[in-house]
Amino acid sequence: KQEVTQIPAALSVPEGENLVLNCSFTDSAIYNLQWFRQDPGKGLTSLLLIQSSQREQTSGRLNASLDKSSGRSTLYIAASQPGDSATYLCAVRPRRYSGAGSYQLTFGKGTKLSVIP
Amino acid sequence: DGGITQSPKYLFRKEGQNVTLSCEQNLNHDAMYWYRQDPGQGLRLIYYSQIVNDFQKGDIAEGYSVSREKKESFPLTVTSAQKNPTAFYLCAISIVGRAVAARSYNEQFFGPGTRLTVL
Repeated sequence: KQEVTQIPAALSVPEGENLVLNCSFTDSAIYNLQWFRQDPGKGLTSLLLIQSSQREQTSGRLNASLDKSSGRSTLYIAASQPGDSATYLCAVRPRRYSGAGSYQLTFGKGTKLSVIP
Repeated sequence: DGGITQSPKYLFRKEGQNVTLSCEQNLNHDAMYWYRQDPGQGLRLIYYSQIVNDFQKGDIAEGYSVSREKKESFPLTVTSAQKNPTAFYLCAISIVGRAVAARSYNEQFFGPGTRLTVL
């Protein structure tokens, strides 16, 4: 069974710092990996999606990398801002093209990021 | 997010009551999902539906029921059989099958959530 782990569970950094959030998964047979942001009491906002054939994706100050063979992904945030404070979740989709569970995401528990002004 | 709405935002349930959470979308996406989120835990899948009139159980379907009579709507009923229903419930959507943009084919988009509390 796929397991997704995010370390650390919480992270506090001063404004302006570059930072890396980590995500690891136990089964490398994935179709894609998705990074989300969640503000307190809100739904999830999709940040980046990396297909299994890709190594990285970029959006603005965010860069996500994927090393499928080692079961790892990182989310790099450049020049952090107080508005980046949120919980960041990663999720993987299995490499099954039909049948039950083919669209099911497995989530990590998230990393709670605090950017201090 | 965008064309996904969930209502109500907050819901209170008495012991023994059934309650229904609404999820509506106007993005014409085929697949819809219900997740449950508890403090300190990752999201867990309750039910999902890839097409109208068809749905599949997720990891924690016991005590829940769903229907998919219309493409736009995927309501979730929390029955009295669910012993610990207090949680944050999230609805998501995605495209099924090939799409013009490969990214949109795979990506899941979430609604704003409903917080259910048992009194």
